[in-house]
Amino acid sequence: DAKTTQPTSMDCAEGRAANLPCNHSTISGNEYVYWYRQIHSQGPQYIIHGLKNNETNEMASLIITEDRKSSTLILPHATLRDTAVYYCIVRFSSGGYQKVTFGTGTKLQVIP
Amino acid sequence: GAVVSQHPSWVICKSGTSVKIECRSLDFQATTMFWYRQFPKQSLMLMATSNEGSKATYEQGVEKDKFLINHASLTLSTLTVTSAHPEDSSFYICSAPGTGFGEKLFFGSGTQLSVL
Repeated sequence: DAKTTQPTSMDCAEGRAANLPCNHSTISGNEYVYWYRQIHSQGPQYIIHGLKNNETNEMASLIITEDRKSSTLILPHATLRDTAVYYCIVRFSSGGYQKVTFGTGTKLQVIP
Repeated sequence: GAVVSQHPSWVICKSGTSVKIECRSLDFQATTMFWYRQFPKQSLMLMATSNEGSKATYEQGVEKDKFLINHASLTLSTLTVTSAHPEDSSFYICSAPGTGFGEKLFFGSGTQLSVL
């Protein structure tokens, strides 16, 4: 019962911007969108998160649509080290408990 | 800064033995801990959610008697795989939300379990 859907894979040329979309059409008003990435056999690495406003940090930018049903993670200048699986996740409540479920994620391949 | 420390990083055990995985929150209190399992080339699958001082909530299809979760303090949650079998071999990851509304999630570095 993942709350997000993402394309399975994407390629991006090194040095170009990588734009990773995510659909979270059932998101509730107070649920944040989080982006993490995972390199093989490691714990997920935090990238960025947001509620409704666009966010930017040293790693990436997060663009959230006005209706909050989708968002896009932007890596402004992709490098080979950005090759990873990127997860868009939402923390939600179910039966009185918090839950965080993962979708399939997007496997980003940065090409030299 | 806030970190979730997970140990061990990897463990090899014989079939039928039990293995305990620990996750500690450093510099913050983790009232909730999420436990995930990940098979090769697959996404993280939520197994259970533990809350300090109460019973864990297990996802459908996860055997609570096999995967024992204890969250006895605000800084420590443990997952014990009892009577492990080769099919339990997997990558196990814990995660705790930071305190405060909208705080990010802190993930452990994961434990690779191999059952012979």
